[in-house]
Amino acid sequence: QKEVEQDPGPLSVPEGAIVSLNCTYSNSAFQYFMWYRQYSRKGPELLMYTYSSGNKEDGRFTAQVDKSSKYISLFIRDSQPSDSATYLCAMSAIYGGSQGNLIFGKGTKLSVKP
Amino acid sequence: NAGVTQTPKFQVLKTGQSMTLQCAQDMNHEYMSWYRQDPGMGLRLIHYSVGAGITDQGEVPNGYNVSRSTTEDFPLRLLSAAPSQTSVYFCASRSYVFYEQYFGPGTRLTVT
Repeated sequence: QKEVEQDPGPLSVPEGAIVSLNCTYSNSAFQYFMWYRQYSRKGPELLMYTYSSGNKEDGRFTAQVDKSSKYISLFIRDSQPSDSATYLCAMSAIYGGSQGNLIFGKGTKLSVKP
Repeated sequence: NAGVTQTPKFQVLKTGQSMTLQCAQDMNHEYMSWYRQDPGMGLRLIHYSVGAGITDQGEVPNGYNVSRSTTEDFPLRLLSAAPSQTSVYFCASRSYVFYEQYFGPGTRLTVT
């Protein structure tokens, strides 16, 4: 089993839709959870960052972490064509051999149609 | 404030050639790392450094060397390029205290 699982999509939605992106993980030591957005032929850009469980909101974006289920989500409200990108989840442990290193999901490719 | 910069943007090598990918950051971050990104494989950690003079291996270190003589720079060396090293390479940095990593724009490498 991979440490981080993410559905690669592609996911296609109409403009204005609510988008839900998800990742599951297996390592109980993960405490830091991040979402990156990557446009084609660009570097990953940090979008959201949460520590431990709970929700975090930033504009149209909401990140949720459910540590009991080992499940994280990113919601995008009122999606726009400019949101079309690949979204990568990433997480890091605070103890253990890989402490401090980010483990990435493979990314979900999102397309928002006008 | 340039953040994380990488050079070159593109490179084509022949099998067996060597080269160095440059990475620099101006945020005074202690932690720097190198990833490769391949289709269907996601981002995989090659090497990382927690400070000047300290480096360690990640998930896919074979065929690559690193050194960290200053806080700002973290070059990645390919000793003898192989077609399997065709990939997009990203450098990233973060402070030692906070876990958010910031990425450079990438180097697209083709080995023929």
